[in-house]
Formats: sequence, C-alpha cells, structure tokens
Amino acid sequence: QAALTQPPSVSGAPGQRVTISCTGSSANIGAANDVHWFRRLPGTAPQLLIYRNNNRPSGVPDRFSGSKSDTSASLAISGLQAEDEADYYCHSYDNSRRAFVFGTGTKLSVL
Amino acid sequence: QVQLRESGPGLVKPSQTLSLTCTISGDSISSGGYYWDWIRHHPETGLEWIGYIYHSGDTSYNPSLKSRLSLSVDTSKNQFSLKLTSVTVADAAIYYCARQDRGMINTFDLWGQGTLVTVSS
Repeated sequence: QAALTQPPSVSGAPGQRVTISCTGSSANIGAANDVHWFRRLPGTAPQLLIYRNNNRPSGVPDRFSGSKSDTSASLAISGLQAEDEADYYCHSYDNSRRAFVFGTGTKLSVL
Repeated sequence: QVQLRESGPGLVKPSQTLSLTCTISGDSISSGGYYWDWIRHHPETGLEWIGYIYHSGDTSYNPSLKSRLSLSVDTSKNQFSLKLTSVTVADAAIYYCARQDRGMINTFDLWGQGTLVTVSS
C-alpha cells in the first residue's frame, strides 16, 4: 500500500482556495522527515512547489503554501487559476522502506 | 540554465534490459551538492523513486528494485545512466531523471521532461 495517501481529486472555482492533504505515518512524516510538494502537467517535467514543508522556491507564487502536523501535511492553493489544473504530489522519506516515497497524487480541477 | 534530458529506447521486450541515459547541460555533474536520481511515473500507481547516484559513484537504490538495478555515472560526458534488468510490463512507465539538492532545498529541484518506456514483445 502507498506510504503517503492523497485524495484522488479536488476541485474549486476560479479565485477560491483549496487544500490537498497528504496522510503518512510514523515512518515518514511522523518521523520528522521533510515533506515536499510537486505539480505535474501531462507531458511536462514535474515542478517543485514547496520544499521542506513550507518553503517556496523562487518563482512559485505565494498563492501556494504548505503545512505539516504530526503524520500529515497539506498544500493550500488560494486564488485558484485555470492554469493550476494539474496533478499534485507530496513527497517524503520513509524510514521503514528506506526509500523516498511519493503520495498517490491528486488531480486538481478548476471549475 | 541547467537542463536534464533523458534518452534511450522507448520499447523494450519483456525479460530484456532497459537502459536509459540522462545528459546534464548548463552545469557539471561533478560540481557537488547534488544527487542525481531516476524516478518513474506509472499511470495507475503514480510516482516511484528508483535510485540516485553521486558524482563519485556512490549509489542508493529503492529496495524494491535493488536486485535488478544498476546506476552509473560518466563525468567526462556529464551523464548518468540506468540499467534495469529482467523488465516486465510492470516496468512500463515514464522515466524521469532529476537533480536532488542535498542542501537547503533537500529534494528534487530539477527534472527532465521524461521518456516513455513501453514493455512489449
């Protein structure tokens, strides 16, 4: 089974705020391992959105924010735009599996 | 601007060996501070980390693939490569090479565009 679980899909209207959850365990997020978030558009390279739980790389708008608590993490996107439609993945390290692991992925639809 | 580009055959027969190469442009693989990774995306199961190599040749493999996997680096060509033996249809995926920052960012901060690998006879 997946080490990190995300909802298969979320949706929102332009301008709204959505959150995407990432549920892990004591072997990964709960072990104080960093959580990172990526966005993937079909046919394009995945893009880093959030690193080390709540940091944005340069060039990523402040509409994107990350948080982490206990064994879960969240990505929030405010002021939804049509171009935000993509697949979003969380990522961390799993001490039990001794491997980097990704979330199951969430498809964001902008209505 | 640093770029990564994957190359290799798009079609592999079952039981054969998959070989892919990632070419780095705009930076030297030997500059340090980064691991060089392979990650794949299955349509049904999502992203899976395969393994990484450092410019010195040190490696770390996903335990689920370790028995079939070999990563290598060619600093003279600024490339790193993947070999996966005994492939099955479960290995069909989009394969990405990526740069993993081991400093402040501590994750994959740059990815290639990906290359589609099909496993079929």
